[in-house]
Amino acid sequence: QVQLQESGPGLVKPSQTLSLTCTVSGGSISSRSYYWSWIRQPAGKGLEWIGRIYTSGSTNYNPSLKSRVTISVDTSKNQFSLKLNSVTAADTAVYYCAADYYYDNRFDYWGQGTLVTVSS
Amino acid sequence: DIQMTQSPSSLSASVGDRVTITCQASQDISNNLNWYQQKPGKAPKLLIYGASNLETGVPSRFSGSGSATYFTFTITSLQPEDIATYYCQQYDNLPLTFGGGTKVEIK
Repeated sequence: QVQLQESGPGLVKPSQTLSLTCTVSGGSISSRSYYWSWIRQPAGKGLEWIGRIYTSGSTNYNPSLKSRVTISVDTSKNQFSLKLNSVTAADTAVYYCAADYYYDNRFDYWGQGTLVTVSS
Repeated sequence: DIQMTQSPSSLSASVGDRVTITCQASQDISNNLNWYQQKPGKAPKLLIYGASNLETGVPSRFSGSGSATYFTFTITSLQPEDIATYYCQQYDNLPLTFGGGTKVEIK
């Protein structure tokens, strides 16, 4: 059973960079069966897909965030990471990492989510 | 981007009732649609993939149907543990997009 766990600062100052890491256990991040995605959810609102990375290192980003987002993978640590720069209060949300099945893009496995607040 | 419009945004029903949620896509997405359940404070959980396929371990009272631009999600007999918000998600095109959610409550 694949498990994902997000980690990173819960508070980020405006204009700075939000950095989160997702550690994958119970499976290999080098699996060809999954993309590794980031999704966020502002309080009381819906889900927004941020982007994803494949084991090859290829990435796809949501155009709405593309200019500010970088997703990377560290296969030696079985982790993938999110960096979102120039954050504002609008980036305050619960951030989830998720395993996105390669063949039909269903999010099979999710982390528990981590709240990131952007505030001075 | 493909816009996913869910309705209603919320509903209240009695235990044992049949509940139906609709999801409309802004363009033809074939059957490239998934449904998730999210309980308060928890991550979403996959229920239905490929519009109508029940994820392993999910109770059979949950079902999905539809294709192209119109999809439905049904709970045939609402149970107290089904109180949650339900989301559709399209994967026909990037970016992957979700519907706005339907909050289901017990009357």
